[in-house]
Amino acid sequence: GAVVSQHPSWVICKSGTSVKIECRSLDFQATTMFWYRQFPKQSLMLMATSNEGSKATYEQGVEKDKFLINHASLTLSTLTVTSAHPEDSSFYICSARVWGGNQPQHFGDGTRLSIL
Amino acid sequence: EDQVTQSPEALRLQEGESSSLNCSYTVSGLRGLFWYRQDPGKGPEFLFTLYSAGEEKEKERLKATLTKKESFLHITAPKPEDSATYLCAVQDARTGAGNNRKLIWGLGTSLAVNP
Repeated sequence: GAVVSQHPSWVICKSGTSVKIECRSLDFQATTMFWYRQFPKQSLMLMATSNEGSKATYEQGVEKDKFLINHASLTLSTLTVTSAHPEDSSFYICSARVWGGNQPQHFGDGTRLSIL
Repeated sequence: EDQVTQSPEALRLQEGESSSLNCSYTVSGLRGLFWYRQDPGKGPEFLFTLYSAGEEKEKERLKATLTKKESFLHITAPKPEDSATYLCAVQDARTGAGNNRKLIWGLGTSLAVNP
């Protein structure tokens, strides 16, 4: 149980392109999803917290106009990297939590984004 | 300030050589300590949640324990397939409300098990 699917797993695109990443909870409803970024050999950096039907809460230093988050249903959240540039290249990971603040987060397999 | 420190940073074991990974934390009101395993190029895989001192959880060759200041992940007779980075994360009452509660992450222990 508690399976999270993330798509695509890998994307390469040109600078200036917008890229959308999907995160789905397959066997549970997720009122809250989280988006992380991970740099090589570093731990996870929280970018934003996404709640179904409301605006996402972004961490300090994360540009909300650059990283658009939509959580339109209880099983789907999307992250769109707008006008991507090489410095946006990274490993992006989403997670979802079964209802209950002390429950664990379950993670997707991540998206490797490379901007040329 | 809330902190999570994992040690050692890296660990190399021979197959069958048992050992322990450490996660020490400083939070004011623990609302869960979580262990994850992360393979290269993958998202973290949930292993255990511990909520109170004295609690223990087991899964195959792994056993997690919790005190008021730290948690240990004991690996008994490890196999090469146990090679991964093991991440520890905590949340407390101050890291958000309800379902929005955020995790504070350690930097992980990179474990390599040689055959």
